[in-house]
Amino acid sequence: GAVVSQHPSWVICKSGTSVKIECRSLDFQATTMFWYRQFPKQSLMLMATSNEGSKATYEQGVEKDKFLINHASLTLSTLTVTSAHPEDSSFYICSAIKRTGAAADTQYFGPGTRLTVL
Amino acid sequence: GQQLNQSPQSMFIQEGEDVSMNCTSSSIFNTWLWYKQDPGEGPVLLIALYKAGELTSNGRLTAQFGTTRKDSFLNISASIPSDVGIYFCAGQLALGGGADGLTFGKGTHLIIQP
Repeated sequence: GAVVSQHPSWVICKSGTSVKIECRSLDFQATTMFWYRQFPKQSLMLMATSNEGSKATYEQGVEKDKFLINHASLTLSTLTVTSAHPEDSSFYICSAIKRTGAAADTQYFGPGTRLTVL
Repeated sequence: GQQLNQSPQSMFIQEGEDVSMNCTSSSIFNTWLWYKQDPGEGPVLLIALYKAGELTSNGRLTAQFGTTRKDSFLNISASIPSDVGIYFCAGQLALGGGADGLTFGKGTHLIIQP
């Protein structure tokens, strides 16, 4: 299989502080990872594409200076929410692509991180 | 941007009944995926579809990739209590997984009454 972990699973912080969320592919290497955000009772929305060794690509409307992404190794991508505010409270989910060498590469999701900003 | 229209939004069924849900898009996707998400967890892949017209089964689940590449359906036969959850369709432009992020539908909330 393919396991993707996230840390922490939940975090509560004060407004104005920064929070770092880690996404790890545990049993495979992932040159590409994705970060999604999911508000309560809503769908997942793609925030950015994280590429190992290069800058992340952000979706329209997502502030790159607020959501800092670092993909420093083939198994780790981090998302830092800078100067978090209550409206940033959400469920953040990462995914990683496991390359199989065939046409059918698969995107595996982490368990998510619940961020609550007070 | 692209949008996926998923229906129904929610379903209340009796255990043992069959379930059907679908997604349509205003634009073409080259890959269609179906995920299930339990509360407080990440989505789990159920079925992946890579060819227009493809019909794929995974146990009691069957999904089809529409011939126009703009729609897909998921059927669940003989539902059981553990089928409860939110089902999402997702489309991807890149072929075979690729390196594109996914566009998700709004989800179908499946509730099973004993």
